[in-house]
Amino acid sequence: GAVVSQHPSRVICKSGTSVKIECRSLDFQATTMFWYRQFPKQSLMLMATSNEGSKATYEQGVEKDKFLINHASLTLSTLTVTSAHPEDSSFYICSAATSGDGETQYFGPGTRLLVL
Amino acid sequence: LAKTTQPISMDSYEGQEVNITCSHNNIATNDYITWYQQFPSQGPRFIIQGYKTKVTNEVASLFIPADRKSSTLSLPRVSLSDTAVYYCLVGDYYNQGGKLIFGQGTELSVKP
Repeated sequence: GAVVSQHPSRVICKSGTSVKIECRSLDFQATTMFWYRQFPKQSLMLMATSNEGSKATYEQGVEKDKFLINHASLTLSTLTVTSAHPEDSSFYICSAATSGDGETQYFGPGTRLLVL
Repeated sequence: LAKTTQPISMDSYEGQEVNITCSHNNIATNDYITWYQQFPSQGPRFIIQGYKTKVTNEVASLFIPADRKSSTLSLPRVSLSDTAVYYCLVGDYYNQGGKLIFGQGTELSVKP
């Protein structure tokens, strides 16, 4: 299957700083990428849809100014958590969709964010 | 987006066949059904996808009845390494940009 990577895999930062997470589709082009957040023992929660060359679409309740998304190319989307606080500590996962006979989403390995 | 309902948890033993059923009563004409597997602290891994009838690949089979209001993921001869959370998702990939909404999933525990 298609491969999606994320960097970094783990990050620890101080409260008030910003953290950037990269999501790359390694062997295919993705016009659409998605960002999810997952808290312990819970399911994935969709945060936003990232569209190449246009503004991201955020789910209800997700702060646009806090979670900045940039999809500058067909293989890269970035999520920046601005002014991070301890409650932003979570597991962030991206996915990218291939096209064809029914699009299939492939997920990255996730990024563990810990805000101190 | 169609809502999905799955059992919260299931137990099995090594070597058994495991069938996990998902209900999606409000599935739309353009919706596909996709199953993912997730281990702790990892991203979901694609298992299988289908639209109707039966789909089989090297790791699983997916059975979809004619009315498509449910689907069953079948894992043949499970092993301890199949212990994971399994998610059933329904999505209209063409009209909603592939947007998927995750339910609670089924936590499968395989015992020796």
